[in-house]
Amino acid sequence: DGGITQSPKYLFRKEGQNVTLSCEQNLNHDAMYWYRQDPGQGLRLIYYSQIVNDFQKGDIAEGYSVSREKKESFPLTVTSAQKNPTAFYLCASTNRGDFRGNYGYTFGSGTRLTVV
Amino acid sequence: AQSVSQHNHHVILSEAASLELGCNYSYGGTVNLFWYVQYPGQHLQLLLKYFSGDPLVKGIKGFEAEFIKSKFSFNLRKPSVQWSDTAEYFCAVAGGNQGGKLIFGQGTELSVKP
Repeated sequence: DGGITQSPKYLFRKEGQNVTLSCEQNLNHDAMYWYRQDPGQGLRLIYYSQIVNDFQKGDIAEGYSVSREKKESFPLTVTSAQKNPTAFYLCASTNRGDFRGNYGYTFGSGTRLTVV
Repeated sequence: AQSVSQHNHHVILSEAASLELGCNYSYGGTVNLFWYVQYPGQHLQLLLKYFSGDPLVKGIKGFEAEFIKSKFSFNLRKPSVQWSDTAEYFCAVAGGNQGGKLIFGQGTELSVKP
């Protein structure tokens, strides 16, 4: 079945460490997105990529970095510069040819990151 | 910039009560509108979406939403809620020329008492 796989499901990080969250999709979608979910704040866009080797900052990109070397993969690195990284991170994808969302967005199951 | 506002942060209802969750957005161009639901411990799921045509959209599980362009609103409704509707509900907007970005509201937590 096609879908998005995020790993790991739970991740613990020590302060000062970088950590990378994986997002892989087999839907042949061109566009991929990273969101951060915090209680009472909804989902906020961190980074997005419309095509391989290209990506743009979202609303809260500071302290994060991404790469898009392959169409299927859009890993997110939470760097030590991110002051409050403990959150739930969601990856999503959609077709490039359908940015209006005619087919909707597919979401992964998320990674819960905790800084200890 | 696009933004989405959900008026209610936490709504508590008894079973069989009617539900209306408010959603307003700010964007001057053509938009696509969505309501997503997140049940405790589960993925985001699409409830319904509006692209064009009939402004009254019917979704899964008896939910519906009405797009009122003049009010920039897309409120979610259900005539009679069930305990199983307890979840968090998110309104979202995708602008036609915004690179596919889906902008979410803050979410509304719905608690239905049996």
